[in-house]
Amino acid sequence: DQQVKQNSPSLSVQEGRISILNCDYTNSMFDYFLWYKKYPAEGPTFLISISSIKDKNEDGRFTVFLNKSAKHLSLHIVPSQPGDSAVYFCAAKDLNDYKLSFGAGTTVTVRA
Amino acid sequence: ETGVTQTPRHLVMGMTNKKSLKCEQHLGHNAMYWYKQSAKKPLELMFVYNFKEQTENNSVPSRFSPECPNSSHLFLHLHTLQPEDSALYLCASSQGTGLAAQETQYFGPGTRLLVL
Repeated sequence: DQQVKQNSPSLSVQEGRISILNCDYTNSMFDYFLWYKKYPAEGPTFLISISSIKDKNEDGRFTVFLNKSAKHLSLHIVPSQPGDSAVYFCAAKDLNDYKLSFGAGTTVTVRA
Repeated sequence: ETGVTQTPRHLVMGMTNKKSLKCEQHLGHNAMYWYKQSAKKPLELMFVYNFKEQTENNSVPSRFSPECPNSSHLFLHLHTLQPEDSALYLCASSQGTGLAAQETQYFGPGTRLLVL
């Protein structure tokens, strides 16, 4: 049973515009959320995270928003750059478990 | 460069072969993980080791056999695999498997496995 879902398998955006990636989860025990970025032929690398006590976390061009009541989080990338073209994975965990549950990923393509 | 290396990067094997995947982490972490990633699917956790002890076996078939001789090295021994085992196998490490809410896992580049 997939507890973390990324319903958009791909996203194409023009350079300089905003990329918005969405993630939904079903487990109400999840309280820590991460985004990983993956280039071809490389492993996923940690990008940004958010704890359930916050509703927003910002790091440079990357901002993650959390809506606990909707069990939804999103990653905003602004402005988008060609180097942002990659697969983005959403992941979640709860306080009582070290295991991460991953979404299937969203492939972002930034057009010049 | 995440501090986690994996060899080989690509592997083609027949169903009767025996091969091993190797992972090494240079981060001083105590926990190591094997994941399987099939195309367009979420990462699936296979095994977890904490301080060389296996703490998780996520109902993985016995044709996959992990080995963790120390906290820096992790192996995945493969024997009589099936074509549906073809996937990207990712190794990861973290400081530990404690209940720290903000534990981050660091991934290696993966081994792309094709079973013929």
